[in-house]
Amino acid sequence: QKEVEQDPGPLSVPEGAIVSLNCTYSNSAFQYFMWYRQYSRKGPELLMYTYSSGNKEDGRFTAQVDKSSKYISLFIRDSQPSDSATYLCAMITGGGNKLTFGTGTQLKVEL
Amino acid sequence: GAVVSQHPSWVICKSGTSVKIECRSLDFQATTMFWYRQFPKQSLMLMATSNEGSKATYEQGVEKDKFLINHASLTLSTLTVTSAHPEDSSFYICSARDQRGAGANVLTFGAGSRLTVL
Repeated sequence: QKEVEQDPGPLSVPEGAIVSLNCTYSNSAFQYFMWYRQYSRKGPELLMYTYSSGNKEDGRFTAQVDKSSKYISLFIRDSQPSDSATYLCAMITGGGNKLTFGTGTQLKVEL
Repeated sequence: GAVVSQHPSWVICKSGTSVKIECRSLDFQATTMFWYRQFPKQSLMLMATSNEGSKATYEQGVEKDKFLINHASLTLSTLTVTSAHPEDSSFYICSARDQRGAGANVLTFGAGSRLTVL
């Protein structure tokens, strides 16, 4: 079993839809959780960064962490074609040095 | 915010030659940088951790003599793919952590370098 599980998709939604992206993990020591967006042939860019359980909102993006269920989510409201990319979840332990990544979910927002 | 610059963004070389990729932290110092490899439609695979002033730490299965890493200063790490072969063709991405402030656990990535070995 992988430490971090993420559905690779592809996920196709119409413009304006609410998108839900999720990851589950097995290591209860993970404390910091990140979502990265990666466009084709580009390096990943940080979207959201949260510590421990709870919600964080930034514009159209909301990140949720449920440590009791070992489950994290990224919601995208009013999705746009420019949101079409691969979304990677990543996490790290409190004293850790290396991020553990999910496989990434490919999202396509269609007109 | 933290910026990581990676160069070149793409390179084509002949089989048997060596290729060097540079990774620079532009507005912060990075004692540690990370090198990843990514195959099409797959996630990032950590290759090695580059440590300023000391030897890199390689992940299991990564040949250290094949992928030479040098971290000569607090803002520069280089990855040299030696005697490259077509199977080394991949997308190589470096990253670094700006340990100033609240985002100390966040990795900032370079734009990646696409290597094609003919």
